[in-house]
Amino acid sequence: DAMVIQNPRYQVTQFGKPVTLSCSQTLNHNVMYWYQQKSSQAPKLLFHYYDKDFNNEADTPDNFQSRRPNTSFCFLDIRSPGLGDAAMYLCATSSPGTYNEQFFGPGTRLTVL
Amino acid sequence: AQKITQTQPGMFVQEKEAVTLDCTYDTSDQSYGLFWYKQPSSGEMIFLIYQGSYDEQNATEGRYSLNFQKARKSANLVISASQLGDSAMYFCAMRASNTGNQFYFGTGTSLTVIP
Repeated sequence: DAMVIQNPRYQVTQFGKPVTLSCSQTLNHNVMYWYQQKSSQAPKLLFHYYDKDFNNEADTPDNFQSRRPNTSFCFLDIRSPGLGDAAMYLCATSSPGTYNEQFFGPGTRLTVL
Repeated sequence: AQKITQTQPGMFVQEKEAVTLDCTYDTSDQSYGLFWYKQPSSGEMIFLIYQGSYDEQNATEGRYSLNFQKARKSANLVISASQLGDSAMYFCAMRASNTGNQFYFGTGTSLTVIP
C-alpha cells in the first residue's frame, strides 16, 4: 500500500544533542511537509517542499532544518533541541492543487531530557 | 489571509447518536478545498472527507457528511450513528488556490462518545 512512513516512532534525545527525524513516501507526491504538534493543539507547519523548492515558515526557529535529497525522502534536523521542542512531529505529503488532501505519516514523538 | 475557526473545544455524544462538529472559515479566494481529519490518541492524522468550493452537493463518505454552507462560510462535519471508536480529535483544514500548497488548520474539537 502506498503510504507515508516516519522513523523512528519515538525518539528520546538529550538537551542540546542534535537529532534527525526521517520521513519517506511511496505516493510519489511533489509536496512534503513537516509539522510540529504539541498536546491538544493544532499542527504547526514548520516548512514544506515542492519538489526541491524549500518553503520555510517565517516563525520556524533556525534550530530546525530540513533536507529533501530526493522525491521519496525528507529529513527534519533539530540542531540543538531544547525542552520546548518536545512534541509530536508529523510528516505529510500532497499533490499540488487546491483540491488534493494531505496524507500523514504516523508521527515521531520526541522527548527531550 | 486564510483562517479556520473551530469553536467547540470538546463535545460529547451518546453512542449511536449523530453529532455535528462546527467549522467556519475565512478566505478571499474563490477556489478552495475544505478537509476534515481525525486524530486518535495514537497521533496519526486520518483524512475523512473533502469539499471543494465549487461543489454544489454536500460531500458524503460513509457515516461522515459535510454540511457546506458557502454563504455562511461554514463546513460542519456530521457523524451519524456514533461509535466508541469515533472518540478522537477532529481538525478542519483549508487549502486555497492563492496560497498554493499550504494547509490551514483549526484548533480542533475533542469528541468523546459515551457508551
